[in-house]
Amino acid sequence: SAVISQKPSRDICQRGTSLTIQCQVDSQVTMMFWYRQQPGQSLTLIATANQGSEATYESGFVIDKFPISRPNLTFSTLTVSNMSPEDSSIYLCSGSFSGNTIYFGEGSWLTVV
Amino acid sequence: AQSVTQPDIHITVSEGASLELRCNYSYGATPYLFWYVQSPGQGLQLLLKYFSGDTLVQGIKGFEAEFKRSQSSFNLRKPSVHWSDAAEYFCAVANQAGTALIFGKGTTLSVSS
Repeated sequence: SAVISQKPSRDICQRGTSLTIQCQVDSQVTMMFWYRQQPGQSLTLIATANQGSEATYESGFVIDKFPISRPNLTFSTLTVSNMSPEDSSIYLCSGSFSGNTIYFGEGSWLTVV
Repeated sequence: AQSVTQPDIHITVSEGASLELRCNYSYGATPYLFWYVQSPGQGLQLLLKYFSGDTLVQGIKGFEAEFKRSQSSFNLRKPSVHWSDAAEYFCAVANQAGTALIFGKGTTLSVSS
């Protein structure tokens, strides 16, 4: 299976600050996605990270709050801006690999205090 | 719009007993179907997937799933559950190969001794 690494794995942040999460995959992928999993909930798609262009955001998520970069086929970042306690979640990166199989990283567990 | 329903929020089975987790999807064409498992404090691990062909698919850890078009279902099964199978199980669907997934709300599996 593919390896997707996320940094940081966990963090505790002060409200009003921003945090950037990095996602590195071990092989080229066609598509990369960012999901949010709020406590005790399922996964919700934030956006599709497009290489070399602006990400495609889902309803309810905006670029000013969740800016995303994807400079190449194996790396992407998600920034959670101006954080509030409601942003406390697991943020997961995923990629679509050969055979159209979608794998996930271990997640970045974010707590905002 | 696509949707995924996992009717059972929480299931408890005895160790060694068989398991079936239900998943129903709503989509007109043949969907791309996945099952993932999330152990406490962990990311998502892919158990199996179905794109086409044989409707009974085998996955890792002794799991299998059967695609039934007539019932719009993709139920996950295991003949004998181990205590280590206790986790959250998510069914997910995509409308095209390699695109973002829509997740069900998940089923929590507890295993009793």
